[in-house]
Amino acid sequence: AQSVTQLDSHVSVSEGTPVLLRCNYSSSYSPSLFWYVQHPNKGLQLLLKYTSAATLVKGINGFEAEFKKSETSFHLTKPSAHMSDAAEYFCVVSERNSGGYQKVTFGIGTKLQVIP
Amino acid sequence: DAGVIQSPRHEVTEMGQEVTLRCKPISGHDYLFWYRQTMMRGLELLIYFNNNVPIDDSGMPEDRFSAKMPNASFSTLKIQPSEPRDSAVYFCASSGGEGAPEDQPQHFGDGTRLSIL
Repeated sequence: AQSVTQLDSHVSVSEGTPVLLRCNYSSSYSPSLFWYVQHPNKGLQLLLKYTSAATLVKGINGFEAEFKKSETSFHLTKPSAHMSDAAEYFCVVSERNSGGYQKVTFGIGTKLQVIP
Repeated sequence: DAGVIQSPRHEVTEMGQEVTLRCKPISGHDYLFWYRQTMMRGLELLIYFNNNVPIDDSGMPEDRFSAKMPNASFSTLKIQPSEPRDSAVYFCASSGGEGAPEDQPQHFGDGTRLSIL
């Protein structure tokens, strides 16, 4: 069974401080993992993806995530938060189901607030 | 590439009316997804297609909802009759390309904000 747990529904950081958004997953197979960002009144935009290559993945806008199989985690980090990072972030697990089709599960999202 | 195109961007209609939401996926993508997003329930997968064939519609809330994909470049989500609780933002997404399907990210449209009065 496939599932995603985003451990925090809301995270608040000061501008210029590090960001950590936590994600744990469960998958029967070797999954692919993604982070998406959604700004207010916008669609979701891909931040980065892990597809069984390097475990440390770099994405857009200075974000990166590390795949840790032993911990079944894929946490999103950024060294220094910017006001424009305020948005909602979704962790996603993707695998191929028994029929050979893509099966995707989204986490519930983490709202990031950046305080000036 | 123009990205995933959804229309209309906003729709306001009265309860009981038929609503049709439209989506044009990215050319060459073989998966198409319909999602609904509300404050209460978050992002919900309604249905997805592969090569124009519905694969999983278990997320469709009830028989009032139907989705079609008559060809690779067009899909519709229809609600008939509409109810106030259907008010939400509806997103269409597509994925595909070379490589394993599970490795392909989804590309989202800007959504249709639906209000049922």
